[in-house]
Amino acid sequence: GAGVSQSPRYKVAKRGQDVALRCDPISGHVSLFWYQQALGQGPEFLTYFQNEAQLDKSGLPSDRFFAERPEGSVSTLKIQRTQQEDSAVYLCASSLAAGPHHEQYFGPGTRLTVT
Amino acid sequence: ILNVEQSPQSLHVQEGDSTNFTCSFPSSNFYALHWYRWETAKSPEALFVMTLNGDEKKKGRISATLNTKEGYSYLYIKGSQPEDSATYLCAFKHTNTGNQFYFGTGTSLTVIP
Repeated sequence: GAGVSQSPRYKVAKRGQDVALRCDPISGHVSLFWYQQALGQGPEFLTYFQNEAQLDKSGLPSDRFFAERPEGSVSTLKIQRTQQEDSAVYLCASSLAAGPHHEQYFGPGTRLTVT
Repeated sequence: ILNVEQSPQSLHVQEGDSTNFTCSFPSSNFYALHWYRWETAKSPEALFVMTLNGDEKKKGRISATLNTKEGYSYLYIKGSQPEDSATYLCAFKHTNTGNQFYFGTGTSLTVIP
């Protein structure tokens, strides 16, 4: 069966450009998480969706970051006016149900480089 | 931000050796701890979800224990094989932080044939 997929796998953006990162979770998974992983660090929480509802966006680092999941499946993380500090791997994960007792299934990540 | 620490940062062992590493987290308001294995160029893969103090979980040669009162979890690998080479991440969930998981920086394991 298909796992979590993310696209693009690699993205190079010039400073000031807008980017959109896509996550296709496992079909039927209720929960969806976005994480940002800077070099040498562990993943850091950005935002959480339960179906189409964005229940927690407390980890988004600035108002340049926006995420949506309009139909409760595919999610897009948008970064406006990219800055060099946005360079990181962006990971998406989904889980079958709500609640922290369910394991998360991760995608391969999108590596964003802002030049 | 809650502090989740993993040690050691990296580890090289010979094939056949057993090894273990640690994840430390705040001991108050524990909710759950996850362990993941992340091989290079692949997606992180869930190993264990641990929720109760004293939990011990096992998957093949890999096992984990949990002590929520003192705030640590150990991951053990018995008879390491080259295919065990990966970064092992733990992720901690606190009761008072919504849906946020706090990840450690990982332990990078290299098993030398």
